Amino acid sequence: DAGVIQSPRHEVTEMGQEVTLRCKPISGHDYLFWYRQTMMRGLELLIYFNNNVPIDDSGMPEDRFSAKMPNASFSTLKIQPSEPRDSAVYFCASSGWLAGANVLTFGAGSRLTVL
Amino acid sequence: AQSVAQPEDQVNVAEGNPLTVKCTYSVSGNPYLFWYVQYPNRGLQFLLKYITGDNLVKGSYGFEAEFNKSQTSFHLKKPSALVSDSALYFCAVRDNAGGTSYGKLTFGQGTILTVHP
Repeated sequence: DAGVIQSPRHEVTEMGQEVTLRCKPISGHDYLFWYRQTMMRGLELLIYFNNNVPIDDSGMPEDRFSAKMPNASFSTLKIQPSEPRDSAVYFCASSGWLAGANVLTFGAGSRLTVL
Repeated sequence: AQSVAQPEDQVNVAEGNPLTVKCTYSVSGNPYLFWYVQYPNRGLQFLLKYITGDNLVKGSYGFEAEFNKSQTSFHLKKPSALVSDSALYFCAVRDNAGGTSYGKLTFGQGTILTVHP
């Protein structure tokens, strides 16, 4: 398995633009997580899905952020409109019961810079 | 609410010496505890976990961690450090209360481990 695949790896955009980050989880994993990492706030859980259904989105910072999981092999995190304070590394991770409780496999991350 | 504290932002050790990266936690029920490692420009990688059973847990790359319920600690250890162990280490906790808490791993702020040749 190629692991969790995230795209793009790097994104530079201007304030006000829409940003879409993509994630392909490991096949067979039924949990998918979106995290954000910054120097100031560390690693924050934004939202997670179970069997494509959002379970907890309490970490989503505001209405500018939205996440979808239309099927078991794809998820998106969208920011519209983007702001400079959204600059961070966004990680997608997946896990499943066979992998053991909360043994997350992380993608390489998408580094977002909003100018 | 669950929380994790990693009291040291940075730990420096000489190669061949033992290393310890500290972690304390707070949960309302019984904890599930984890250590993850992050190398530069990479995602986090799972090292080891404590769910139940023996307080000493062995994991990848020769690392181990000791669960201490009375001190609410889960320190990461390795008997002999390697330069290649240099990375950012995260402790994480989940309350095993169930329900929507399944996915709610709370991570510490991370500790930068530097192993000098």
